[in-house]
Amino acid sequence: NAGVTQTPKFRVLKTGQSMTLLCAQDMNHEYMYWYRQDPGMGLRLIHYSVGEGTTAKGEVPDGYNVSRLKKQNFLLGLESAAPSQTSVYFCASSIGQGLRSNQPQHFGDGTRLSIL
Amino acid sequence: TQLLEQSPQFLSIQEGENLTVYCNSSSVFSSLQWYRQEPGEGPVLLVTVVTGGEVKKLKRLTFQFGDARKDSSLHITAAQPGDTGLYLCAGALNRDDKIIFGKGTRLHILP
Repeated sequence: NAGVTQTPKFRVLKTGQSMTLLCAQDMNHEYMYWYRQDPGMGLRLIHYSVGEGTTAKGEVPDGYNVSRLKKQNFLLGLESAAPSQTSVYFCASSIGQGLRSNQPQHFGDGTRLSIL
Repeated sequence: TQLLEQSPQFLSIQEGENLTVYCNSSSVFSSLQWYRQEPGEGPVLLVTVVTGGEVKKLKRLTFQFGDARKDSSLHITAAQPGDTGLYLCAGALNRDDKIIFGKGTRLHILP
């Protein structure tokens, strides 16, 4: 029962470096999401995807790019990391968007990213 | 603008006590969800409430959706150390909208 798997779990980058966070789900969900969670800010949506080959901007998309080339994978890229992007990043997937199906979002365990 | 306000932000109580945490908004939501998040893990869904005035129970946890569908509460009876965690409410303004999360209530139950 893998569910949603995020890699890596931890990473430290220097300002200006690039990296890609990988999210994989084995539940055949159409919808996938990337959030960041910061102290006192809650979960904020970065980008999301409503299906293979589609992506859309969320609440805080600047500085990030995403790709959904395969239904089971959703990649989050940081082209030039900045200290303000230090955060815990969560990926989630769901059967339906919003609460249409009353189904939950299934979350991974997060990637802790520090930008020095 | 924070659409979903959760209160209190932090709560620390003794094992065995009762508590209520709140999720409030000036907007009407089609439904609300409550999640619990433990350290080092992602949030896990506890319940979805859909109908105004709806009450759902999950063992010692009671969830209520306000009649006007603008607010929700979570009541825990006889809190236990295993209830410790971050409680998040989430809602969608319309059935097809993205889910919006509140900032959460961090609950600590002292043994």
